[in-house]
Amino acid sequence: DTGVSQNPRHKITKRGQNVTFRCDPISEHNRLYWYRQTLGQGPEFLTYFQNEAQLEKSRLLSDRFSAERPKGSFSTLEIQRTEQGDSAMYLCASSRIRAGHNEQFFGPGTRLTVL
Amino acid sequence: KNEVEQSPQNLTAQEGEFITINCSYSVGISALHWLQQHPGGGIVSLFMLSSGKKKHGRLIATINIQEKHSSLHITASHPRDSAVYICAVTMYSGGGADGLTFGKGTHLIIQP
Repeated sequence: DTGVSQNPRHKITKRGQNVTFRCDPISEHNRLYWYRQTLGQGPEFLTYFQNEAQLEKSRLLSDRFSAERPKGSFSTLEIQRTEQGDSAMYLCASSRIRAGHNEQFFGPGTRLTVL
Repeated sequence: KNEVEQSPQNLTAQEGEFITINCSYSVGISALHWLQQHPGGGIVSLFMLSSGKKKHGRLIATINIQEKHSSLHITASHPRDSAVYICAVTMYSGGGADGLTFGKGTHLIIQP
């Protein structure tokens, strides 16, 4: 399977713990996006990378959240001191910009439950 | 007010019916996307369009840039079409420089 993959698929943690998610994009894609989706809502943009550079962060991304893409390939999203309000589906997408088109391909998501 | 509004929020129809889902947006965009999300979370891109109309199998997507409106149509609907359909836009500014801004989705159920 050469699509976008995310690990783990599910994570249950206690409030106050740190969690880290991983996203492996489609190999030739230079852009990588993180989104968050809470129950019954559409996804919301968190941040994106072009190659290894993090170019923009949403104000939704508090200082407890950090994302990296150190070699311009896979990315990690870490949440420190988790809160119950962090419970959501975390979605990763990747794309390759060409001729002004930016079709994004989504991974299956990581569902986080904070108890 | 959300920048991307979808209607209806929920839609139940019988197999074979013609389905229309609407999306309106209030910002300047460079592209509009229709996405499909099945239970369990996986999102699949159905269409990306900036003008006119696109067709793929039984799915048709149209966009009217002047009216800031798009529709997704499903012909000869089938129970396997049951999913959440999400409209998303790439804005000219904000929204994360090509990060998508999403509607809340339309939950479609097709009954046999």
